[in-house]
Amino acid sequence: ETGVTQTPRHLVMGMTNKKSLKCEQHLGHNAMYWYKQSAKKPLELMFVYNFKEQTENNSVPSRFSPECPNSSHLFLHLHTLQPEDSALYLCASSQETGTGANVLTFGAGSRLTVL
Amino acid sequence: QKEVEQDPGPLSVPEGAIVSLNCTYSNSAFQYFMWYRQYSRKGPELLMYTYSSGNKEDGRFTAQVDKSSKYISLFIRDSQPSDSATYLCAMRSNAGKSTFGDGTTLTVKP
Repeated sequence: ETGVTQTPRHLVMGMTNKKSLKCEQHLGHNAMYWYKQSAKKPLELMFVYNFKEQTENNSVPSRFSPECPNSSHLFLHLHTLQPEDSALYLCASSQETGTGANVLTFGAGSRLTVL
Repeated sequence: QKEVEQDPGPLSVPEGAIVSLNCTYSNSAFQYFMWYRQYSRKGPELLMYTYSSGNKEDGRFTAQVDKSSKYISLFIRDSQPSDSATYLCAMRSNAGKSTFGDGTTLTVKP
């Protein structure tokens, strides 16, 4: 496996379900990110972890709960979601969050549909 | 007002055409300028990045940054059907977070 891998690729859940999205990076990077991508909107940064520590929570509702057990793995735990949370959730990694271009490598995304 | 405005598209061109994709921005602190390409059902991938003003060329792609006008462009020469994708501009200040445009969807027709 190379790059950034996200599972599942597709997820359909009811508003009362609990599910998790998983991301794994094989690049030796130290920073990991969750983004939300909705149609006709720019990428929305949700969470940032640098060396396993959360450095940014972009005012994300508590029904989204991130977890970063180590620099290679990132989870997004989902519970009691709303239909407007339906979107493509992208995981990304970078060398770290410091200075410079901080180029992001993205996974293919998890397409979430909330019924 | 958004920090980054990207030409909305969609854009449809014949194969072989020169394509110009454009973004404007308002934050003068932005120093790093990126273009990502996103194919359908895939995540964005970095195409090119430029530091500060100037041009950068990579094969058929040229990235241009004019900081005085707060304007960046991506030119694609001799466009191919395989260039059909959504193109996202992104910008970052030193030690800041990346800010993305909405994306422009390009279709190159054979």
